[in-house]
Amino acid sequence: GAVVSQHPSWVICKSGTSVKIECRSLDFQATTMFWYRQFPKQSLMLMATSNEGSKATYEQGVEKDKFLINHASLTLSTLTVTSAHPEDSSFYICSARQGAGELFFGEGSRLTVL
Amino acid sequence: AQRVTQPEKLLSVFKGAPVELKCNYSYSGSPELFWYVQYSRQRLQLLLRHISRESIKGFTADLNKGETSFHLKKPFAQEEDSAMYYCALWNSGGSNYKLTFGKGTLLTVNP
Repeated sequence: GAVVSQHPSWVICKSGTSVKIECRSLDFQATTMFWYRQFPKQSLMLMATSNEGSKATYEQGVEKDKFLINHASLTLSTLTVTSAHPEDSSFYICSARQGAGELFFGEGSRLTVL
Repeated sequence: AQRVTQPEKLLSVFKGAPVELKCNYSYSGSPELFWYVQYSRQRLQLLLRHISRESIKGFTADLNKGETSFHLKKPFAQEEDSAMYYCALWNSGGSNYKLTFGKGTLLTVNP
């Protein structure tokens, strides 16, 4: 199947700093990318949907100024956690699809905010 | 709003036993349902979707609109089936395309 890659796989940062996580589709053009957050032993919660070249659509309760999502190209979307705090520590997962095709998931990025 | 319910957080069976992971959904439109699997330390991957009506790794799932269910079944569980299983519902209403996940069921197949 198609490959979606996230980087970094694990990042540790100090409280108050901003962290950027990248999501790349390696062998297909991702017209739509989704960002999820997963707490330990819990399900994936959709944060936002981004379509290439347009603003992301955020789910209710997700602060768009806190979690900045950019989908500037058909192979790259970024999630920036601004002014991170310990409660932002989580596992962030992206997924991507081309048109109405199958959804492929990245391996996830673990954020630890000290 | 759409909702996916997996009532069992944990399910433990012995190798060779039948297994059924339950999934119920709530959706106003025509549902498109999936089962995803996440093996230990691996990424989430698609197991099967209801529209293809296929059997993957011996697993099947039938959409029952009357009971709003999409239970995942396998007649003879194997140890390598041990993983986290998520039922998911694709919302394609209007311009809001997204996948809603259930909370997941951790399946353990004992030798």
